[in-house]
Amino acid sequence: AQSVAQPEDQVNVAEGNPLTVKCTYSVSGNPYLFWYVQYPNRGLQFLLKYITGDNLVKGSYGFEAEFNKSQTSFHLKKPSALVSDSALYFCAVREVNTGGFKTIFGAGTRLFVKA
Amino acid sequence: DVKVTQSSRYLVKRTGEKVFLECVQDMDHENMFWYRQDPGLGLRLIYFSYDVKMKEKGDIPEGYSVSREKKERFSLILESASTNQTSMYLCASSFNREKINEQFFGPGTRLTVL
Repeated sequence: AQSVAQPEDQVNVAEGNPLTVKCTYSVSGNPYLFWYVQYPNRGLQFLLKYITGDNLVKGSYGFEAEFNKSQTSFHLKKPSALVSDSALYFCAVREVNTGGFKTIFGAGTRLFVKA
Repeated sequence: DVKVTQSSRYLVKRTGEKVFLECVQDMDHENMFWYRQDPGLGLRLIYFSYDVKMKEKGDIPEGYSVSREKKERFSLILESASTNQTSMYLCASSFNREKINEQFFGPGTRLTVL
């Protein structure tokens, strides 16, 4: 069965510093991977996705994520954090080969960016 | 822009009541989803639908049912609300099942069952 793990409940970073939000996944076939962000009192918004091709995926708001097949990871990164990046981040995976339709979401990581 | 709207942002109901949560999307998406979001558990899929009048159980369908009579509308029904159904409910839609598309989410309905 497919699964997603976000090992950190919370990540704290100072404004201007690089940030990383970690995600690891488990699937039996090839994965489709997603990152979503949830700002306070708002629904989830799509940030980026990996389907195939380059391991480094660029998304909205200056975020990027690196797909690492050997480590089964898809960490979210940003070179310079902003206070406005403070939000709840979800990693998600959809399995490809089985034809499955469901997307599995991680438990979420809360990012705090301090001025 | 895709817009997914949910009928209520906040809802308070009593145990045993029948509860209807409505979701409408305006982009002709084929797929629609209902999730509940609980702290530390992330999003858990309740039901989804990939066509009108079609529905599939997700991971936690017990105590819920759904209805999709029109393509743009997907309703979640709590047949007899219980306190353990107090949660944030998120509706989402995506383009179609053949393509790997991201999901577009509504703002959520925070349901409290007393």
